[in-house]
Amino acid sequence: DTGVSQDPRHKITKRGQNVTFRCDPISEHNRLYWYRQTLGQGPEFLTYFQNEAQLEKSRLLSDRFSAERPKGSFSTLEIQRTEQGDSAMYLCASSLSGGEVFRPAPLHFGNGTRLTVT
Amino acid sequence: SQELEQSPQSLIVQEGKNLTINCTSSKTLYGLYWYKQKYGEGLIFLMMLQKGGEEKSHEKITAKLDEKKQQSSLHITASQPSHAGIYLCGAPLTGFQKLVFGTGTRLLVSP
Repeated sequence: DTGVSQDPRHKITKRGQNVTFRCDPISEHNRLYWYRQTLGQGPEFLTYFQNEAQLEKSRLLSDRFSAERPKGSFSTLEIQRTEQGDSAMYLCASSLSGGEVFRPAPLHFGNGTRLTVT
Repeated sequence: SQELEQSPQSLIVQEGKNLTINCTSSKTLYGLYWYKQKYGEGLIFLMMLQKGGEEKSHEKITAKLDEKKQQSSLHITASQPSHAGIYLCGAPLTGFQKLVFGTGTRLLVSP
């Protein structure tokens, strides 16, 4: 079980630069999620995919954010024109689809990418 | 305001003592998920509660779901330093394919 892997673990960038993060889910999982977590808070949902289809995006996800999962396997999250307020831990999670209607299968998280915008 | 409120926000206990963490929802709970997070790392899935009155245990950690009270509790018996971390509850509150999380309870276990 290789788990969910995220790359890079840390990213320091200057305001205004673009950054891209990668997530490799557990291989048999067809759902992939992106969350953002700031210090002292729980993770906040950003978006999720079922296979290659992006099914939901949070209002937190401004036009500067874009996520893709082109072949239904790995995913990338790009932030354009970064701002200091984008500094956070970006967490990726994956799960199987299924479970009961109101009780999704448990999410399995990677170790996150910590972004610092200076 | 938070849809999932956790209490206490932080907790320091002496090794060997028992403790309880609560998670209260402002909306109907159909399921409740408990996770643990070590500082600077990802979330580790602990257990999932699906039905009112359900109780699950994993090693020295027990969690219960009270659907009527829209509440879950997580109890650790005979705490150890390895239990230290942030405990987070999550639930499918705003769409049934994703989880909303509480702000977490930070646990320190002193020797």
